[in-house]
Amino acid sequence: GENVEQHPSTLSVQEGDSAVIKCTYSDSASNYFPWYKQELGKRPQLIIDIRSNVGEKKDQRIAVTLNKTAKHFSLHITETQPEDSAVYFCAARLSSGSARQLTFGSGTQLTVLP
Amino acid sequence: GAGVSQTPSNKVTEKGKYVELRCDPISGHTALYWYRQSLGQGPEFLIYFQGTGAADDSGLPNDRFFAVRPEGSVSTLKIQRTERGDSAVYLCASSLHVGGRYEQYFGPGTRLTVT
Repeated sequence: GENVEQHPSTLSVQEGDSAVIKCTYSDSASNYFPWYKQELGKRPQLIIDIRSNVGEKKDQRIAVTLNKTAKHFSLHITETQPEDSAVYFCAARLSSGSARQLTFGSGTQLTVLP
Repeated sequence: GAGVSQTPSNKVTEKGKYVELRCDPISGHTALYWYRQSLGQGPEFLIYFQGTGAADDSGLPNDRFFAVRPEGSVSTLKIQRTERGDSAVYLCASSLHVGGRYEQYFGPGTRLTVT
């Protein structure tokens, strides 16, 4: 099955700086890669996603890049704000077989220092 | 519109008891997923429904866990003879699953504590 590794596990940045979180996946059949933000005690919220036919996607201060050859994808947050502080999870979804679930990374605790 | 809802939000039960957790997906979403999230971890897949049938139950840890979705909407996750190791947040997600729409939207979860 799919395996997703995420790093770093914790990340602290100053307000206004950029943050980058990286993930690698194992199964080249994966074709969909979402990112979720989860605040303490809350549900995971989808913030951005990318499909395997696209190399980069941007939505305001958030961008995701995908390198299919190397099987890794990254989340980039620019001009960070204290409200960006949360745990961020990457995930991958297989395109083949009956599996349609997401396989998640272990999460990155992002702290934006004011 | 209304998002995914789950009840109860919290459930405390004694070891050995039976529990049911309910998920109400977004209206019109044909795909429904159950995940389990332990403290400090990402969600782990349990079971996936497409319509009324369980399309993939490979994530269920053992036969004490069972889930149903009889009418293709609301789903119930059932855990028999609960163990302390079952304590976790149980998350439900739904997806439209047509036209290449893969986005999964999560409910708030049920925090299960087995004492």
